[in-house]
Amino acid sequence: DADVTQTPRNRITKTGKRIMLECSQTKGHDRMYWYRQDPGLGLRLIYYSFDVKDINKGEISDGYSVSRQAQAKFSLSLESAIPNQTALYFCATSESGPGGDTQYFGPGTRLTVL
Amino acid sequence: GNSVTQMEGPVTLSEEAFLTINCTYTATGYPSLFWYVQYPGEGLQLLLKATKADDKGSNKGFEATYRKETTSFHLEKGSVQVSDSAVYFCALSALNSGYSTLTFGKGTMLLVSP
Repeated sequence: DADVTQTPRNRITKTGKRIMLECSQTKGHDRMYWYRQDPGLGLRLIYYSFDVKDINKGEISDGYSVSRQAQAKFSLSLESAIPNQTALYFCATSESGPGGDTQYFGPGTRLTVL
Repeated sequence: GNSVTQMEGPVTLSEEAFLTINCTYTATGYPSLFWYVQYPGEGLQLLLKATKADDKGSNKGFEATYRKETTSFHLEKGSVQVSDSAVYFCALSALNSGYSTLTFGKGTMLLVSP
């Protein structure tokens, strides 16, 4: 079984709709991250959480919100989706302490906003 | 701020050719450096890492040396295989306002033909 899972794997939605992407992990890591990947732009950090009570904005948080429901779950929401949020979204985890700079990625969610 | 620059792709090689993908970085302090690989339809996987100057990371025949004097971390492999076809991301991890996060390059696609 995968250590970091993301649901759904693919989603097509319409402009203005609210969308939630979910991430779960069985690695026991404290730290979790959300990124988006766009062709030619690499990965950009949206939000990150270093424990259940700690949420931080990343490079491109506008238009997104997150919820850390438990150590193992970290959800990303688009309150009102727009077409330029069409992208591949990745969740990642890392441990705290030594080795915490190595991140482990989920398989990704491909989101299309029409 | 922190940044990573990698050569643009695609890099197209024949099987058994020598591979170099250039990566340079800008960072304050002493970052850790990484190469991640993304196979088609999958998330990113850690390929190798180096945590201090002159360290060499290696895995699956790939290697990269942390060069502080040239702020570089070039990826090399002596003989590529078709199965190495993927997108390769250079990244650094550095402290930012007390938190350690990853900054990625834009990625370099490698295509290996038989």
